[in-house]
Amino acid sequence: NAGVTQTPKFRVLKTGQSMTLLCAQDMNHEYMYWYRQDPGMGLRLIHYSVGEGTTAKGEVPDGYNVSRLKKQNFLLGLESAAPSQTSVYFCASSWRDDGVGNQPQHFGDGTRLSIL
Amino acid sequence: ILNVEQSPQSLHVQEGDSTNFTCSFPSSNFYALHWYRWETAKSPEALFVMTLNGDEKKKGRISATLNTKEGYSYLYIKGSQPEDSATYLCAFNHAHGNNRLAFGKGNQVVVIP
Repeated sequence: NAGVTQTPKFRVLKTGQSMTLLCAQDMNHEYMYWYRQDPGMGLRLIHYSVGEGTTAKGEVPDGYNVSRLKKQNFLLGLESAAPSQTSVYFCASSWRDDGVGNQPQHFGDGTRLSIL
Repeated sequence: ILNVEQSPQSLHVQEGDSTNFTCSFPSSNFYALHWYRWETAKSPEALFVMTLNGDEKKKGRISATLNTKEGYSYLYIKGSQPEDSATYLCAFNHAHGNNRLAFGKGNQVVVIP
């Protein structure tokens, strides 16, 4: 099993360019998440999805859009990249909350994105 | 924004020594507390998910305790080994229904051979 796969692993963009980061999971998880990791800060939630066709804003959603057209894929889009979006992006997935709160999240290896 | 604090931010431990560090979180609206282990150049991996006050969990030489009433969790490493070098992330889940986590900045541990 591949688990959670992120594509691409590295990317350099110019300010104003657009791009889409792909996250794919093969564990049939209902929930998926996009985080960003910046120096000196914890993982911050950008957007998340609790099921196919649904998305919701996280802690730092501005400048990003997401889509969950298929259960196994969660796309993160930057419509007009800005230098402040230079970061390492992590995707994660988990089983649905079963009411007991004991579902860990499974992470991809990250995408390192630089905006010049 | 939920405040999850981890201390100390970084620590160096001699091989064979035991160590521990703290995660503090809001004591109200508690649902679950997660610990993840994050090695350099890899992705975070789940260590423990704890939901009940007084929970104690163990995985090899690593263990964790939980106090939801006062809002803290301890992570212990017994007899540290170089392979324990990693950043340990604490994450707080305050509401059921979406498994949404608020992460601390991590405890970076370096075990010196």
